[in-house]
Amino acid sequence: AQSVTQLGSHVSVSEGALVLLRCNYSSSVPPYLFWYVQYPNQGLQLLLKYTSAATLVKGINGFEAEFKKSETSFHLTKPSAHMSDAAEYFCAVSDQRRDDKIIFGKGTRLHILP
Amino acid sequence: DGGITQSPKYLFRKEGQNVTLSCEQNLNHDAMYWYRQDPGQGLRLIYYSQIVNDFQKGDIAEGYSVSREKKESFPLTVTSAQKNPTAFYLCASSIGSGSRYNEQFFGPGTRLTVL
Repeated sequence: AQSVTQLGSHVSVSEGALVLLRCNYSSSVPPYLFWYVQYPNQGLQLLLKYTSAATLVKGINGFEAEFKKSETSFHLTKPSAHMSDAAEYFCAVSDQRRDDKIIFGKGTRLHILP
Repeated sequence: DGGITQSPKYLFRKEGQNVTLSCEQNLNHDAMYWYRQDPGQGLRLIYYSQIVNDFQKGDIAEGYSVSREKKESFPLTVTSAQKNPTAFYLCASSIGSGSRYNEQFFGPGTRLTVL
């Protein structure tokens, strides 16, 4: 069965520093992977998704993620953090058993230090 | 603008009462979902529907019920049988073409508090 593990429930970075949020997946079939962002008291918004077209995926707000099959990872990065990036980020994988279902990680809350 | 609306944004309920959360979408999506979010727990699937008049239980369906009489609407009822209903509830939809790479679109959520 598929699953995702997000390393670190809280991550703090200084404004202007590199953002790195870690996600590892488990899947017996080629995975489809997603990163979502959630601002306080709001719904989730799609940042980017991997569907096997390219291993480096660019998303909105300057974020990107690289699919590494050998490491079963799909880490999210941004070169320079901005205060507005403070939010909770969720990694997710599509469920091979049932089309259209997605399995979410537990989330990583990103704190930006001034 | 196309999107998903949830109402109300905040809801208070007394113990022993049933309450219904509304979810409407105008994206012409076939599939709709209800999730529950608790701090540190991520999103847990309550129910989902891939077509009108059909729905399936998710991972935590006990104490909840749904209906799907119209394509655009997927209301969730939190019954008195739900032991700990205080949470943030999120509704989502997707194209539902049967493809695994279709992302889900989310509503703004309803925060339910049991008094």
